[in-house]
Amino acid sequence: GQQLNQSPQSMFIQEGEDVSMNCTSSSIFNTWLWYKQDPGEGPVLLIALYKAGELTSNGRLTAQFGITRKDSFLNISASIPSDVGIYFCAGILTGGGNKLTFGTGTQLKVEL
Amino acid sequence: DGGITQSPKYLFRKEGQNVTLSCEQNLNHDAMYWYRQDPGQGLRLIYYSQIVNDFQKGDIAEGYSVSREKKESFPLTVTSAQKNPTAFYLCASSKGQGMTEAFFGQGTRLTVV
Repeated sequence: GQQLNQSPQSMFIQEGEDVSMNCTSSSIFNTWLWYKQDPGEGPVLLIALYKAGELTSNGRLTAQFGITRKDSFLNISASIPSDVGIYFCAGILTGGGNKLTFGTGTQLKVEL
Repeated sequence: DGGITQSPKYLFRKEGQNVTLSCEQNLNHDAMYWYRQDPGQGLRLIYYSQIVNDFQKGDIAEGYSVSREKKESFPLTVTSAQKNPTAFYLCASSKGQGMTEAFFGQGTRLTVV
């Protein structure tokens, strides 16, 4: 099936630092979603993007829908310990029947 | 409260047995999905349904079956044909056409003993 390449695979950062992660695909997507998953729980939706070039914020989180429609970026500013978790990108292919395809995840660890 | 509920949270199964995982939503969503997650990996799509009485195979449907007799419910059966069933199973739903944000349940951890 379709794969989304997400990087980095893991990050170990200091509290207060900014974080960036991205997701790329060989196919064009018409929707990008970013989720956060805590251990043993279901993913929680953070941000949804629907238009190429769109830049959307949710508190300290900012995500962008790449202009080529083949990538997306998530930034977290001034990280705090509760930002720890796994972040997933997800995309919906143009003509893909609303089927979500997920990236492999970025594990974020925050050092006090 | 509106939401999506999976049960049970933990499930143990003997080899060779079928087991059914429950997923119920009261969000009036048309589309529902089942994903499998293995340790340290992303989510892989098992089955999805865009409307009642209709469903399609995802990327890893072998050894699984589903039904969609009601809009609110999308149960997943893990059959004995599934060679490696131990995993974390996640159910999600979305409005379907147009709005496509998907919301997840809390997951069911299935362990084969």
